[in-house]
Amino acid sequence: LAKTTQPISMDSYEGQEVNITCSHNNIATNDYITWYQQFPSQGPRFIIQGYKTKVTNEVASLFIPADRKSSTLSLPRVSLSDTAVYYCLVGEGRGSTLGRLYFGRGTQLTVWP
Amino acid sequence: EAGVAQSPRYKIIEKRQSVAFWCNPISGHATLYWYQQILGQGPKLLIQFQNNGVVDDSQLPKDRFSAERLKGVDSTLKIQPAKLEDSAVYLCASSLDSDRSSYEQYFGPGTRLTVT
Repeated sequence: LAKTTQPISMDSYEGQEVNITCSHNNIATNDYITWYQQFPSQGPRFIIQGYKTKVTNEVASLFIPADRKSSTLSLPRVSLSDTAVYYCLVGEGRGSTLGRLYFGRGTQLTVWP
Repeated sequence: EAGVAQSPRYKIIEKRQSVAFWCNPISGHATLYWYQQILGQGPKLLIQFQNNGVVDDSQLPKDRFSAERLKGVDSTLKIQPAKLEDSAVYLCASSLDSDRSSYEQYFGPGTRLTVT
């Protein structure tokens, strides 16, 4: 599975847009890009998933350039409650490794008032 | 829709003792996962079940860890005997059995294990 690299930590203020970039240089043709969010003392929560271009849902947007070697999670107008660890994962959508997720250390996002 | 249930939420044991964790996945989810999350790290997959069969247990320390999923619903994870380095949060997750939606895993609150 492709290895991912993302910043260890980021700081932001309430109301700002936050962009967290993840590098996955060895991404394979069949790999999808998935982001999870984890609050203290809770299990991770699925945020968004994409394959190419742009995906948007009610929580975030995911931008994936044409070469797919990186992706950017965009959180619009963050609030204090968005303080959490954000994980970028890359994995196959088919085959025997179906559903396997490899979490790195993630990015600790801290939102300040 | 009820979420993934886990019990107990907290457990403190001494090294060399045994411990068991229980998980009840979301109804209808065929795939169930157990993860270990050590403080400051991301979750690490221990074992994956599809219905009641093991799909992936390559990272399960089989000399001390065991897991079962009888009848393809509930699951238990056991550690016997426990070591100090087993102190972690044990997370259970479940997902529907399809290609893309399997990346949308639903996690339970976890069991925090402390081995002294």
